[in-house]
Amino acid sequence: DTEVTQTPKHLVMGMTNKKSLKCEQHMGHRAMYWYKQKAKKPPELMFVYSYEKLSINESVPSRFSPECPNSSLLNLHLHALQPEDSALYLCASSQNHGPNSPLHFGNGTRLTVT
Amino acid sequence: AQSVTQLDSHVSVSEGTPVLLRCNYSSSYSPSLFWYVQHPNKGLQLLLKYTSAATLVKGINGFEAEFKKSETSFHLTKPSAHMSDAAEYFCVVSDLHGGSQGNLIFGKGTKLSVKP
Repeated sequence: DTEVTQTPKHLVMGMTNKKSLKCEQHMGHRAMYWYKQKAKKPPELMFVYSYEKLSINESVPSRFSPECPNSSLLNLHLHALQPEDSALYLCASSQNHGPNSPLHFGNGTRLTVT
Repeated sequence: AQSVTQLDSHVSVSEGTPVLLRCNYSSSYSPSLFWYVQHPNKGLQLLLKYTSAATLVKGINGFEAEFKKSETSFHLTKPSAHMSDAAEYFCVVSDLHGGSQGNLIFGKGTKLSVKP
C-alpha cells in the first residue's frame, strides 16, 4: 500500500464524457504532481503544484484540467478525451518541489477512452 | 542539460544470483539520482537516492547503488535476486535548470526477469 491514494483504480470513458481523477496524501507534502504513463514507457510529467499553486504545465492539452483544492488533494478533470489519451495516470507528492525531494507515487488510475 | 541512459532494456537472472542494472547520467551539476521500481499495475516505489552524501547508497529490499563521478554511473546492484524482484526499474536524475528545477528525468527503464 502507498501513502498516496488515487481513485478510481480503473476508468472507462467515452470521448464525450466528463470525469475526474482524484489523489490524496496526508504526509504534509507541499508539492503534488500528475504523470501520464503509456505501456512500456517511463512516466511523463503533466503538471506540478507547489504550495497549492500550479507551477508547471508541460504543454498539456486543455482537455486535461488540474485542480488543487487544498494541500492534501489533487484532481485531474477530464473532458472530450481521445483514444490516445488511454494510459496509466499517476499522482505523486514530495516534501517540496526541489531536486533532493524524492517523489512518492500512488498506484495510478488506468484510463481507457473508447 | 541532464540526461540518463539505462544501458539494458531487459535483464534476466536466476533466483539467488546477483543483479546488476546499469545507468549512466549526464549532468553539468552535481546531480541528485534515484532508482525507482514499478511492479505490474502499480505505481513507482523509491528504492534509493543519492544526494551528494555517501557515494555508496543502500536502499530497500537489499538493493544498493554506487555513485561514480569519474564514470558518470549509478548502477543498481543486489547480491541475490528474489522472485519478487521481477519488475521494471527506472534510473532517474533530478533536473536542476530554471523553472524545471526538481523535475525528474527518467531513463527508459530496465525490465528485470527472475527465473526460478
